[in-house]
Formats: sequence, C-alpha cells, structure tokens
Amino acid sequence: DAKTTQPPSMDCAEGRAANLPCNHSTISGNEYVYWYRQIHSQGPQYIIHGLKNNETNEMASLIITEDRKSSTLILPHATLRDTAVYYCIVRPYYNTDKLIFGTGTRLQVFP
Amino acid sequence: DADVTQTPRNRITKTGKRIMLECSQTKGHDRMYWYRQDPGLGLRLIYYSFDVKDINKGEISDGYSVSRQAQAKFSLSLESAIPNQTALYFCATSDTATGGEFYEQYFGPGTRLTVT
Repeated sequence: DAKTTQPPSMDCAEGRAANLPCNHSTISGNEYVYWYRQIHSQGPQYIIHGLKNNETNEMASLIITEDRKSSTLILPHATLRDTAVYYCIVRPYYNTDKLIFGTGTRLQVFP
Repeated sequence: DADVTQTPRNRITKTGKRIMLECSQTKGHDRMYWYRQDPGLGLRLIYYSFDVKDINKGEISDGYSVSRQAQAKFSLSLESAIPNQTALYFCATSDTATGGEFYEQYFGPGTRLTVT
C-alpha cells in the first residue's frame, strides 16, 4: 500500500472550514484514498473515500489532485465535536483485509 | 445498542497472566479484525478473520492468539501478558467485498488493557 504523509497537528476556528492535507505521491492507479477519524480514543470512524474524482457526503468533501499525488479533506463548517485525529489511508479498493494507519493529523477546533 | 461491542472496556492484569478480550457484532458481517493502538500512534493489525474457518495473522501477531467462535464473535487472547502489551485494543468488522465494492470497517469502543 502507498504511504501517506500528513501534518501532525492543525487548528481551526469553529464555524470555519477545516482543510486537512495528505500527500500520497507513490499512489498507484488502483488505489483509493480513504479518510477515517478517531475522536479521543474511541474507535475510528469512516468519513469518505475516493479514487480520482472529488467526492462529497454529509460529513465532508474530498478533493484529489489531478495527478492523484495528494488530497485534501474538507470539513466545511468545523464544530468542536470535529476535534479528532484524522487518518488518510491509501489502499487498493479490493483490499479489505486491513487498514494501515499512520499517525494522522490531530485537528483541534477552538471556539 | 451498539453494533460492535467489546468486553471488558478496561482491564488491569499482572505480568504472566492469561487474558481474553471479547468482541461481538450484530451487523452480520463475515470479516472481523483486532487492532492495537499505542499512545500517539496509529492502529496496527494483530489478527483478522474472513469467516469462522479463516484466521490470518496481521503485522504484530506475536504474543497473541484469536478464536472465531461464531460469525458474530471474535476473541483475542494474551497467553502470558507482558507490560509492553499495555495498549488500547480495537475490534472491527466489515462486510465481504464482492465485485470490487467498498465496505468500510466499523470499530468497537475499544478495550484499555494495562499489564503491570
């Protein structure tokens, strides 16, 4: 699976958009980008995934660059409850046997 | 009720003791996983099971064993606990991918294990 690089921490004001970057320069053509988050030692929670097109769901938007070497998770209106560690994971769509978690980005949303 | 439950939620045990962590799920998923998380780090896979008869080692299986008693139950055992097995343990489940569909993993609330 391709490796990912994320900043260790970020801050965001409540109500503002939080933009979390992820670098995956060695991604291959059949690998998807997945985002999970972990709120204060709870079990990780799936957020969104994508291959090459931008994706949006009720939680977030995922923007993937045209060369697919990086992506950005966008929380459009961050709330205090969005404070969590966000993990960017890259793996083939058919490989459901495991998730390889890095250290993620700790997002702190402040009032 | 939670879809994925873990018992116990917290456990303190002594070095050398045998301990079992249990996971149950009501999602009807075939695939189940055990991860451990050390402070400040991401999760690492210990074991995973594709169905009752299929058990696979993950990246850090040494010192652990598992049992898939039924589709809904997957237990993790530490035969002789040691202090560096102190960690947060998560169970997860997912449906079986067919035809390339994506199935997310659903995680339990975790078990905090301390080995003294």
